[in-house]
Amino acid sequence: DVKVTQSSRYLVKRTGEKVFLECVQDMDHENMFWYRQDPGLGLRLIYFSYDVKMKEKGDIPEGYSVSREKKERFSLILESASTNQTSMYLCASTLGSRVPEQYFGPGTRLTVT
Amino acid sequence: QKEVEQNSGPLSVPEGAIASLNCTYSDRGSQSFFWYRQYSGKSPELIMFIYSNGDKEDGRFTAQLNKASQYVSLLIRDSQPSDSATYLCAVKYDYKLSFGAGTTVTVRA
Repeated sequence: DVKVTQSSRYLVKRTGEKVFLECVQDMDHENMFWYRQDPGLGLRLIYFSYDVKMKEKGDIPEGYSVSREKKERFSLILESASTNQTSMYLCASTLGSRVPEQYFGPGTRLTVT
Repeated sequence: QKEVEQNSGPLSVPEGAIASLNCTYSDRGSQSFFWYRQYSGKSPELIMFIYSNGDKEDGRFTAQLNKASQYVSLLIRDSQPSDSATYLCAVKYDYKLSFGAGTTVTVRA
């Protein structure tokens, strides 16, 4: 079974703090993704990576950055957290573009106060 | 951003009935379509995918795809209380998936 893990289930941070969310997959997947999920808006793609050290902006990259130094690990960074970044953050991975089914981690509920 | 629209719901069906979920998409070039189920407080889990026009059945679930109409649907037969969840339609573009906002289904015992 594919296993995607995220570093925290719940996180509370203050406005202006730098926040790191980490995602690890154990199935040698090529592609990894970060989404946020808000009520009524569904899942929105923040960033994705199709290879080590490669990254592409998704639909809502503003205020976020990412890092992928190793194939199994994809980090989402909030450089200066703001209250409008309070959300559920979901990481996902896929084997590759030819096998596009995405598998999700358990999610991190981030609250910025 | 590619558009994926789902019927807004919530959808309430009696146990044993058929639940019908609909999804339309904007990009005619899309080739892969997915249905995810998300229980409250949990992450989405893939339940079905479909690539070709027509129907695809998996147990009590049937996905239907009509590329000419840019329409994909999910039927849940013999609905059970355990089917109560939010169902997300997703459409693949390049490396990415675009998701609809989801339809919440409640199965009444």
